[in-house]
Parts: sequence; structure tokens; C-alpha cells
Amino acid sequence: DAGVIQSPRHEVTEMGQEVTLRCKPISGHNSLFWYRQTMMRGLELLIYFNNNVPIDDSGMPEDRFSAKMPNASFSTLKIQPSEPRDSAVYFCASSLKGNTEAFFGQGTRLTVV
Amino acid sequence: DAKTTQPNSMESNEEEPVHLPCNHSTISGTDYIHWYRQLPSQGPEYVIHGLTSNVNNRMASLAIAEDRKSSTLILHRATLRDAAVYYCTPRGSGGSNYKLTFGKGTLLTVNP
Repeated sequence: DAGVIQSPRHEVTEMGQEVTLRCKPISGHNSLFWYRQTMMRGLELLIYFNNNVPIDDSGMPEDRFSAKMPNASFSTLKIQPSEPRDSAVYFCASSLKGNTEAFFGQGTRLTVV
Repeated sequence: DAKTTQPNSMESNEEEPVHLPCNHSTISGTDYIHWYRQLPSQGPEYVIHGLTSNVNNRMASLAIAEDRKSSTLILHRATLRDAAVYYCTPRGSGGSNYKLTFGKGTLLTVNP
């Protein structure tokens, strides 16, 4: 398996634009996580899914952020409208359900100017 | 969520053992203790996890206190490639509570 695949790797956008980050989890994994990492706030869990269902979205910062998982092999994190303070590295991770290791993607570095 | 406390940074010399401590005094009885590390410019990667007994794998060993309020990640012979931020985190079990959160971690510097 190629691991967790995120796209794009880098994204530069203007304030106010919509941004969509994409994630393909490892085949067969039941759980999917979205994280945001900045120097100031560290690695924050935004939302996590089990079997395509959002279980905990308490980390989503505000209504401008939304995440979907239409099927077991694809998830998106959307920011609309984007703001400069959304600039960060966004990671996606997946794991089998239960207490197993999680595998992280390489991340998407988002810059909002 | 259970809170963890780790030193902000630690330093080691190459080929020496490293003991990275973590306090998780509020851990619940069914939470596993997970350790991850993040190398520069990469996503976190799994290192090891355990519940009560000490655990060993090819990367490291995990020593868990008898009361489970603390644990220690042991790198038996540190290499320059082990320089990273190390995170310990309790992970829930049972039902749908498998979320994985991270604190600030310990920045490990390995000197040649």
C-alpha cells in the first residue's frame, strides 16, 4: 500500500478563497483523522471519523471548516472562506478501528495570503 | 481527555540509551499508552504502544509504571536519525472512543 496520500502537498491561496484538502486513507482502515499543526498551537485534532461517520468534530475551529468522508477511500477538509490564520500544515491519518497504530500522510502545507 | 506531561526537550549522545518520560496520571483504566515521533518536515510516525505490560519492538521499548500513571520510552542506542519530537498520548478503547490527540511532546536532540 502507498500509505496515506494527501493532496495537494502545497497550497497557496488568497484570503477569502475556498480551499479543499484531500486524503486517501490506507485501504481497509476504519478510522480517519484530520489534524492541523502550527508552531504556536502544536498538533491539533480537528475531526475524526469511524466507518465514514464523524465521531468527534469538537476540534474544528469554526464554521468555515467542514470535513466529509463520502466513502471509505476518500475524505476532504474544506475551508471557506480561508483566512491568513488558517496557514498551517494539515495532516490526515488513518488506522484500523481499535487501539492500533495510526499512519500519517505527508501533510499539506497551506499558506493563505 | 487524559492530560500528559513531558519534558520540553532532552539531549543525548549518539549510541547511548535515551529514556523519555511521560506522566499521564489521569489515564483511564482502558486507555492504551501510545508513543509517536515526528521527524523534521514529516508527519508523525508510530513508535510503540502498550496497556500494562512492558513492550518491545524493533524501534524501542516501553516501560509502563505499575500504577499506569507514567511511562518511559527507551531508545536503546540513539542515532542521529532519532532526533525528533516524541509524543506520548493515551488512546481510548471501547466503543467509538479511539481518537488520538497530541500534547507538545519532547524534542530530542542527539549529539554526534
